[in-house]
Amino acid sequence: NAGVTQTPKFQVLKTGQSMTLQCAQDMNHEYMSWYRQDPGMGLRLIHYSVGAGITDQGEVPNGYNVSRSTTEDFPLRLLSAAPSQTSVYFCASSPRTGAETQYFGPGTRLLVL
Amino acid sequence: EDQVTQSPEALRLQEGESSSLNCSYTVSGLRGLFWYRQDPGKGPEFLFTLYSAGEEKEKERLKATLTKKESFLHITAPKPEDSATYLCAVQAMQNAGNMLTFGGGTRLMVKP
Repeated sequence: NAGVTQTPKFQVLKTGQSMTLQCAQDMNHEYMSWYRQDPGMGLRLIHYSVGAGITDQGEVPNGYNVSRSTTEDFPLRLLSAAPSQTSVYFCASSPRTGAETQYFGPGTRLLVL
Repeated sequence: EDQVTQSPEALRLQEGESSSLNCSYTVSGLRGLFWYRQDPGKGPEFLFTLYSAGEEKEKERLKATLTKKESFLHITAPKPEDSATYLCAVQAMQNAGNMLTFGGGTRLMVKP
């Protein structure tokens, strides 16, 4: 199993550009989520999904969209990038909703100029 | 509001010098407390889950304990390869989904 994979590893955007961060898992996990990690702020939940076709907002959802058309994939879309979205983004998955271990991907480092 | 505070922010140890990392939390109904290790440029790597006060878990040189207000990660006779940032996170009963509230982490440096 590859676990949780994320692409790209690093991206530079200009303000106003759009892009999609890709996340995939091959463990047949129901639950997937996106976090951002900023210095001094810890990891914060952006959006999550409890299964294909079901998504919901986390703590910091503004400026981001998600969809979940398959169990394996959970892309994160930035519609109009802003410098405040400069961060490291992590995707995570767990078998089910509940006190389940969440497994994190390697991250995407995003710089918005 | 759920809160997690980790201390110290950074810790320097000599190889073999045992110590503890602290994670203080406030949460309205604890579903689980999680410890992760994060190496530079990598994603968090799962270490332990604790569910109730009094619970302890061990893995190699690491031992995690839990009380009603805090958790400790004890490191016995650390080696340089234990150098990393250690993250603590809580999951509350009332949260929809599996939302984790993370602390700021403790950066551990073990010198040979």
